[in-house]
Amino acid sequence: KNQVEQSPQSLIILEGKNCTLQCNYTVSPFSNLRWYKQDTGRGPVSLTIMTFSENTKSNGRYTATLDADTKQSSLHITASQLSDSASYICVVSDRNSNYQLIWGAGTKLIIKP
Amino acid sequence: NAGVMQNPRHLVRRRGQEARLRCSPMKGHSHVYWYRQLPEEGLKFMVYLQKENIIDESGMPKERFSAEFPKEGPSILRIQQVVRGDSAAYFCASSPSQGWDTQYFGPGTRLTVL
Repeated sequence: KNQVEQSPQSLIILEGKNCTLQCNYTVSPFSNLRWYKQDTGRGPVSLTIMTFSENTKSNGRYTATLDADTKQSSLHITASQLSDSASYICVVSDRNSNYQLIWGAGTKLIIKP
Repeated sequence: NAGVMQNPRHLVRRRGQEARLRCSPMKGHSHVYWYRQLPEEGLKFMVYLQKENIIDESGMPKERFSAEFPKEGPSILRIQQVVRGDSAAYFCASSPSQGWDTQYFGPGTRLTVL
């Protein structure tokens, strides 16, 4: 069964600190992995997208890694800001469908001043 | 260019009533996707529509739920005879073509069933 699991479920860090969020998936055959940011009361917004051949990709203070062999991904946030407080969701698609996405439950990140 | 619009943002219904959720895709987008998000869970695909056609409704319950995307006007997700378990956030996404990498999400409609 295709699944995406994220850890931790929630995380609280101080402003300015770094953090790393984890994503494990069992989706097969794998196509792509994306990290979304979802602010409270808003729709998800894409941060990064990674294909099978990509190991790392950055978007400003966000850096995503992908290990397709172990089926793991991480999202590293550097020098966190209060506006980073949100849920971060790992989403995986398989090659059998180019529109159906398998969503993780997300990691709720809280940045404290 | 306005993003994906959804209304209402919040909807309260009593058990047995009908809920109608609207989604206006981004300009130029003819593909619409509906997702449901239960509290503390990830989004779950419900239905994929292209103008006037349902392409894939495999994630939508067979009873009480229906969706349409008419030639003119917004896409509508309709839930008849709502039950408490229907309480969730319903998100709509749109894309200019079929393909997951171009889906843009609306702000969602939060349905509460009393």
